Amino acid sequence: KAGVTQTPRYLIKTRGQQVTLSCSPISGHRSVSWYQQTPGQGLQFLFEYFSETQRNKGNFPGRFSGRQFSNSRSEMNVSTLELGDSALYLCASTWDTITGELFFGEGSRLTVL
Amino acid sequence: SQQGEEDPQALSIQEGENATMNCSYKTSINNLQWYRQNSGRGLVHLILIRSNEREKHSGRLRVTLDTSKKSSSLLITASRAADTASYFCATNSYPISGGYQKVTFGTGTKLQVIP
Repeated sequence: KAGVTQTPRYLIKTRGQQVTLSCSPISGHRSVSWYQQTPGQGLQFLFEYFSETQRNKGNFPGRFSGRQFSNSRSEMNVSTLELGDSALYLCASTWDTITGELFFGEGSRLTVL
Repeated sequence: SQQGEEDPQALSIQEGENATMNCSYKTSINNLQWYRQNSGRGLVHLILIRSNEREKHSGRLRVTLDTSKKSSSLLITASRAADTASYFCATNSYPISGGYQKVTFGTGTKLQVIP
């Protein structure tokens, strides 16, 4: 069974640009969550999608958005990038509600110059 | 915001020794999980303990949960160099503002096991 796949793995952007990150969950998993990881703030919850609906949202500005497709694949978008958006963005999937373990991808490392 | 705080932030031990990490959290939980992260990689689930459980074992791992103190500990026995990683606790709970359960992570403990 393939794991959670995140693309791209690494990317460099400049301030003001926008970026789209993709996450393909484990087959059969309907819940996809996104986290931002930085050395100073640790792992911060961004949002969770289940069957194409956003069920939970963290405390991030509106520049951060996401969506989920009918095949459970998810994308997140960050517009008007700021230096502070440099981070490792992690996607995790799980089978149903978030009562069990999360399966993480390897992450997308974003550097904003 | 972080739900959990971990202690210590960093821990360095010799191979063969035991490593203990602690996690404190703020609100009522449904379950608590521990994850491991090798440098710059994704997190890997280690163990889950439900709110009505007090202790759980998995191989060299032992987790305890004290809901009255809102705290948990992870013990790794007979540590190996390969255990070198960051360890995170994660709590599954309902947001205070209502809505669906979500999983929030602690700040992590960086463990170094010296061969």
